[in-house]
Amino acid sequence: AQKVTQAQTEISVVEKEDVTLDCVYETRDTTYYLFWYKQPPSGELVFLIRRNSFDEQNEISGRYSWNFQKSTSSFNFTITASQVVDSAVYFCALIKAAGNKLTFGGGTRVLVKP
Amino acid sequence: KAGVTQTPRYLIKTRGQQVTLSCSPISGHRSVSWYQQTPGQGLQFLFEYFSETQRNKGNFPGRFSGRQFSNSRSEMNVSTLELGDSALYLCASSLGGGPVPNTGELFFGEGSRLTVL
Repeated sequence: AQKVTQAQTEISVVEKEDVTLDCVYETRDTTYYLFWYKQPPSGELVFLIRRNSFDEQNEISGRYSWNFQKSTSSFNFTITASQVVDSAVYFCALIKAAGNKLTFGGGTRVLVKP
Repeated sequence: KAGVTQTPRYLIKTRGQQVTLSCSPISGHRSVSWYQQTPGQGLQFLFEYFSETQRNKGNFPGRFSGRQFSNSRSEMNVSTLELGDSALYLCASSLGGGPVPNTGELFFGEGSRLTVL
């Protein structure tokens, strides 16, 4: 069975601070994909990044960066110089290559105060 | 191109009633999956359809059902509604794959928020 754990339920920061969201996963599959989604108040899940299990390179996209460490089964997400528009719930998710079922973590609510 | 469209966006039902939710995927996408989001259980997979066939199913009672039409549009139905069915129901579409390993590129709609009184 697959499992994704986001230990932080809510994080509150002041604008321009950095914030790191933790994600730990469990799977027996050797090939899988990891994701981060952002859910603004409108409800839609917005895709942020996908990582496959064979690619452990860290990635940076603007103010967003991701740290994938297979040895610790973690896929952490950092927002640098946070902005009020970053306020949302962020979900980490896992899917095995042969399936179409995403397993989500419980989500982390990020509140960025001006 | 148009995104995933879900209707209705909001609805209120009473216990014992049934409800049908609709999802129109992105043009060309053949896979549609459904997720239920509640404060207590989080995001949970309901089922997935590809080419009008249910390919995967989550751990939900038989009151939850779905179908997919030849144009890839999908509906899900919940019969004999219970208070605990109050949730945001999210639909996601993807190309589908078939024998091609799924890369998980799912595109989500804004959801249908169901309130059961």
